[in-house]
Amino acid sequence: GQQVQQSPASLVLQEGENAELQCNFSSTATRLQWFYQRPGGSLVSLLSNPSGTKHTGRLTSTTVTKERRGSLHISSSQITDSGTYLCAMVNNNAPRFGAGTKLSVKP
Amino acid sequence: GGIITQTPKFLIGQEGQKLTLKCQQNFNHDTMYWYRQDSGKGLRLIYYSITENDLQKGDLSEGYDASREKKSSFSLTVTSAQKNEMAVFLCASSIPGTGYFGNTLYFGEGSRLIVV
Repeated sequence: GQQVQQSPASLVLQEGENAELQCNFSSTATRLQWFYQRPGGSLVSLLSNPSGTKHTGRLTSTTVTKERRGSLHISSSQITDSGTYLCAMVNNNAPRFGAGTKLSVKP
Repeated sequence: GGIITQTPKFLIGQEGQKLTLKCQQNFNHDTMYWYRQDSGKGLRLIYYSITENDLQKGDLSEGYDASREKKSSFSLTVTSAQKNEMAVFLCASSIPGTGYFGNTLYFGEGSRLIVV
């Protein structure tokens, strides 16, 4: 079955609103890594953390490996944040990805 | 900083043809990966390699071969291209282990496969 599930599948926000993206995984993970992808673009690594909370700019990643879940919080969203956000579950095997959350930020 | 280079960016082939994608990295990473991304979907693992000459099957290895002859390069072969295989193929590399930076992935730009 699917090892990594992301929700919501899509999200539409007004500029300035906050976004909360969820990632749940079915087996033991040592870390979650979050990526951003524009349509037709390559993947850009945003945050990678084994547990707890990590910040960079307007992004906050929280990972609770014992509960097999993580989240990415985007504060004060901007139009340029639009794109797909992918979560990767990392353990002693190769990383597995969720299907992504497609974010659209409207003016 | 390092870079991952995938060639070619676009690979056009005929149905049934054997097609090869190449990936080079200069991070000096031990582990390399091939993922497939279908339009609007997440990434599925095809093959990975934890060191030179090592190969590990992923979730989608049927219909593909891989080769890791050097630490810096990892190639993927579609053994018999099918029209439903048109997708973007992404190569990645990482540092091994479970330390703070362990398994953090770095990606190439991707190679788009078109089957006619």
